[in-house]
Amino acid sequence: EAQVTQNPRYLITVTGKKLTVTCSQNMNHEYMSWYRQDPGLGLRQIYYSMNVEVTDKGDVPEGYKVSRKEKRNFPLILESPSPNQTSLYFCASSFGGAGETQYFGPGTRLLVL
Amino acid sequence: LAKTTQPISMDSYEGQEVNITCSHNNIATNDYITWYQQFPSQGPRFIIQGYKTKVTNEVASLFIPADRKSSTLSLPRVSLSDTAVYYCLVGAHYGQNFVFGPGTRLSVLP
Repeated sequence: EAQVTQNPRYLITVTGKKLTVTCSQNMNHEYMSWYRQDPGLGLRQIYYSMNVEVTDKGDVPEGYKVSRKEKRNFPLILESPSPNQTSLYFCASSFGGAGETQYFGPGTRLLVL
Repeated sequence: LAKTTQPISMDSYEGQEVNITCSHNNIATNDYITWYQQFPSQGPRFIIQGYKTKVTNEVASLFIPADRKSSTLSLPRVSLSDTAVYYCLVGAHYGQNFVFGPGTRLSVLP
């Protein structure tokens, strides 16, 4: 089954404790992206990757890191989480870019205390 | 980049046809229009995509006028399970230039 998986689905952590949210897709997509969704603010892009070893900032990259060492995986790293990073996070992938059909993961709900 | 606007919310009754419009005045030549559906605490799910005129699939139709400055998602005979937030996205198939609309919250009432 074609899908995008994310782990963990729910996470409660404390300020400053590094964490990683994993994302994996099995569709051989070149484009992968991370979004955060907050009430009243819609979907905002954090980082994206056009291919292996090619990553770039989206609209709200501050406080986040990503890597793309393999085509299927695109982890999101929060080196020192802060309460303003409490949000719902989605990973997505597509063949070409953001305007191509994107497949979204189930989401990761993060609470930073 | 094309800025998009959508109605914040809409109400409908079961069995009715619902039309949700997205305005994108500055759409570029290479941009496509894609609509996504999102249920609470789930990731957005692709509904339909088009470039011009009309596209229809098993769940929806997409109408795009000749000037492409707006698009209308049409959901025929909605049911309670169609209650969700609907987003339009305008962007090219390749590259990074895109804009997500603010979303329209559709409530289907019995």
